[in-house]
Amino acid sequence: GQNIDQPTEMTATEGAIVQINCTYQTSGFNGLFWYQQHAGEAPTFLSYNVLDGLEEKGRFSSFLSRSKGYSYLLLKELQMKDSASYLCAGMDSNYQLIWGAGTKLIIKP
Amino acid sequence: GAVVSQHPSRVICKSGTSVKIECRSLDFQATTMFWYRQFPKQSLMLMATSNEGSKATYEQGVEKDKFLINHASLTLSTLTVTSAHPEDSSFYICSARVDRGNQPQHFGDGTRLSIL
Repeated sequence: GQNIDQPTEMTATEGAIVQINCTYQTSGFNGLFWYQQHAGEAPTFLSYNVLDGLEEKGRFSSFLSRSKGYSYLLLKELQMKDSASYLCAGMDSNYQLIWGAGTKLIIKP
Repeated sequence: GAVVSQHPSRVICKSGTSVKIECRSLDFQATTMFWYRQFPKQSLMLMATSNEGSKATYEQGVEKDKFLINHASLTLSTLTVTSAHPEDSSFYICSARVDRGNQPQHFGDGTRLSIL
């Protein structure tokens, strides 16, 4: 079957770095997406990886290892506004997104 | 770019009412749109995939006669919750994707539906 695993909740300190891990199993693979969702709001697109390696976009970076079925989202210089849920989603061979349950990130001062 | 507009943002209505939610891609053509439902503190649940000019594909367990989807153009899809009941109260979110399959989905702001 298809499955996305990510931690339920993480806590980090303002100004620090946090890494949110995601493992995936999909029928075929057409890329891995990360979205941010603030409470009560719709998700917003953060990053897309389809090749192995690190993609950097400002304070956020996303990494993919296809051989390990593994990705992580790295957030640097954490700010209070980064408190949100982070959703990992794998795209299968039919271009359907398989969603993880999300990781709730709590930032403490 | 890739802006998706969803309307209305909030609906409060009586049980038995039908509610229509619109999803528009403002600056791109969306061959495929998606409708999700999300209950509090739970993950996104895909309800159906909507393709322009054809019937929507519903996920298992989603009643197609209750959740009517119309995708009449490349920029508009609508979801109608027919004869809504309190258990249909939820956060409904649409997303749209440009033609190529591996493009990201871009989400509307969501509709919070409360059935009294």
